[in-house]
Amino acid sequence: DIQMTQSPSTLSASVGDRVTITCRASQSISSWLAWYRQKPGKAPKLLMFKASSLESGVPSRFSGSGSGTEFTLTISSLQPDDFATYYCQQYDTYSSWTFGQGTKVEIK
Amino acid sequence: EVQLVESGGGLVQPGGSLRLSCAASGFTLNNYWMSWVRQAPGKGLEWVASIKQDGSEIYYVDSVKGRFTMSRDNAKNSVHLQMNSLRAEDTAVYYCARGGLRYAFDIWGQGTKVTVSS
Repeated sequence: DIQMTQSPSTLSASVGDRVTITCRASQSISSWLAWYRQKPGKAPKLLMFKASSLESGVPSRFSGSGSGTEFTLTISSLQPDDFATYYCQQYDTYSSWTFGQGTKVEIK
Repeated sequence: EVQLVESGGGLVQPGGSLRLSCAASGFTLNNYWMSWVRQAPGKGLEWVASIKQDGSEIYYVDSVKGRFTMSRDNAKNSVHLQMNSLRAEDTAVYYCARGGLRYAFDIWGQGTKVTVSS
């Protein structure tokens, strides 16, 4: 099975900061990578799909890049609504759809 | 409005069974893979199962194989997860999500809580 590893596990930042989260796959997944944001007690929300495509309605401060095994999610200017946990997910393989362990973005 | 609404969660004893349901509205269910994802208390997201549009392919995480069965009824716009031989480690919020093979999980339900405890 493909393993997904996110870094860092926790990130402390301030409103207005540029933030980058990294996700590594244990084998190539081409660009079949998604990013989600989850707030406490709520369902995850899709932010990016196919590594770099912005989901409809998601603010343009979010961007994604990468292919193969290394991917990044960047928030260009952190907003109060962005303090949450972020997950990457591969959806390439037929038999499993693995999530990363999550990155919690905290207020500095 | 496109939405998914889960139901069927609750408290069950170890070894017991529960059947979760997910009602879809606002889109044509039979055009999409559907999936279940769970989240144990204080933990991350874990993919549980996915089913192809026509139900001909179903995949499960290893930890639930042989115990959980995912199904769908496109005519009734619903997806189900039959959970048998439940264990304490199955305790989680279970989310229904639209998505699967090469399609990101773009619509999520609000989740239904399953607690396995004596």
